[in-house]
Amino acid sequence: DTGVSQDPRHKITKRGQNVTFRCDPISEHNRLYWYRQTLGQGPEFLTYFQNEAQLEKSRLLSDRFSAERPKGSFSTLEIQRTEQGDSAMYLCASSGGDLNQPQHFGDGTRLSIL
Amino acid sequence: RKEVEQDPGPFNVPEGATVAFNCTYSNSASQSFFWYRQDCRKEPKLLMSVYSSGNEDGRFTAQLNRASQYISLLIRDSKLSDSATYLCVVNPVSGGYNKLIFGAGTRLAVHP
Repeated sequence: DTGVSQDPRHKITKRGQNVTFRCDPISEHNRLYWYRQTLGQGPEFLTYFQNEAQLEKSRLLSDRFSAERPKGSFSTLEIQRTEQGDSAMYLCASSGGDLNQPQHFGDGTRLSIL
Repeated sequence: RKEVEQDPGPFNVPEGATVAFNCTYSNSASQSFFWYRQDCRKEPKLLMSVYSSGNEDGRFTAQLNRASQYISLLIRDSKLSDSATYLCVVNPVSGGYNKLIFGAGTRLAVHP
């Protein structure tokens, strides 16, 4: 399978715990994005990597959130001291070629905070 | 005002019907446009890109009006399998990189 893969598919945790999600983009794609989607809304942009460089972070990404893409391949998104408002679907996407190319999404990680 | 606005629906149509979705966007500098389809509790999947001259892919036709900042999607001969949420997506492509701006989606339910 050469699509975007995300792990885990689901995560249930207690408030205050730290969680980490992983995304493996399509292998030839140099751009990687994280989005968050809540019920009834479209995905909202969180952050963007070009190769290993994190080039933009949304104001939605509080200081409890950190993302890395250490070797320009897979990426991780960590949320520290989770809050109930963090419950959402976290989506990873990747793209390649010119900037007008569409992004392809992974299955997402559904986070539930108890 | 939201950057991308869509009628949330739901649109309930019988099989075989033609249905049209509309979308407006606020950033006149936006450079590329897409329709994504999202099934319940699944990831968004690219349905089609939208080009200035309009484009068609089988039963689906997309139109873009840059002057009015308006995008449309027409689905002909609806199938039960078309039931999903359709997301209007705009790519500002500013600052040398891109992030997609999504509408909240329009729900379509096709019934027998």
